Amino acid sequence: DIQMTQSPSSLSASVGDRVTITCQASQDISNYLNWYQQKPGKAPKLLIYDASNLETGVPSRFSGSGSGTYFTFTITSLQPEDIATYYCQQYANLLRGITFGPGTKVDIK
Amino acid sequence: EVQLVESGGGLVQPGGSLRLSCAASGFTFSTYSMNWVRQAPGKGLEWVSYISTISSTIYYADSVKGRFTISRDNAKNSLYLQMNSLRAEDTAVYYCARSGEHGDYGAFDIWGQGTMVIVSS
Repeated sequence: DIQMTQSPSSLSASVGDRVTITCQASQDISNYLNWYQQKPGKAPKLLIYDASNLETGVPSRFSGSGSGTYFTFTITSLQPEDIATYYCQQYANLLRGITFGPGTKVDIK
Repeated sequence: EVQLVESGGGLVQPGGSLRLSCAASGFTFSTYSMNWVRQAPGKGLEWVSYISTISSTIYYADSVKGRFTISRDNAKNSLYLQMNSLRAEDTAVYYCARSGEHGDYGAFDIWGQGTMVIVSS
């Protein structure tokens, strides 16, 4: 299986701050990496697909980059409604399964 | 409105069975691959299973292989998950999720609201 790690596991930032989350894969996954937002009690929501593509309707303050084994997710100006847990997800090879990172919980300071 | 609605969750004893359903509406169900994803209480997301548009390709997570069976009925716009030999560690909210919008199977762009499965005696 391809393992995914995320850093940090949680963070607290002020409104307007730039927030960056990193995700590392245990092996090269090219750009087969997505980012999701999950608010408490709700289903996850796709934000970024194929490492850097913004899903339709998602605010432009969200962005993603990276390829291979190292990826970053950025919120350029944190808003109160961005309080959530963020997950990366790889899908490089269905035979080896689809795996999510452990998540990063984002709070307002 | 594009929508997925799960049903069939509940309380079941260890070793028991349960069948989850996911009703799709607002899009052409037969042209999208589908998945089940679960989330244990207070834990992260775990992909469970994938099925292609015409059921020709099916994959499972190792944790459920041999116990769970995914299927779909395109005429009924429905996805299913037959869960047998259930264990306490299968306790979770189960989500159905659509993939294939972006030309690949990996991006889950539409999710249902989830259905809770509790395995306990």
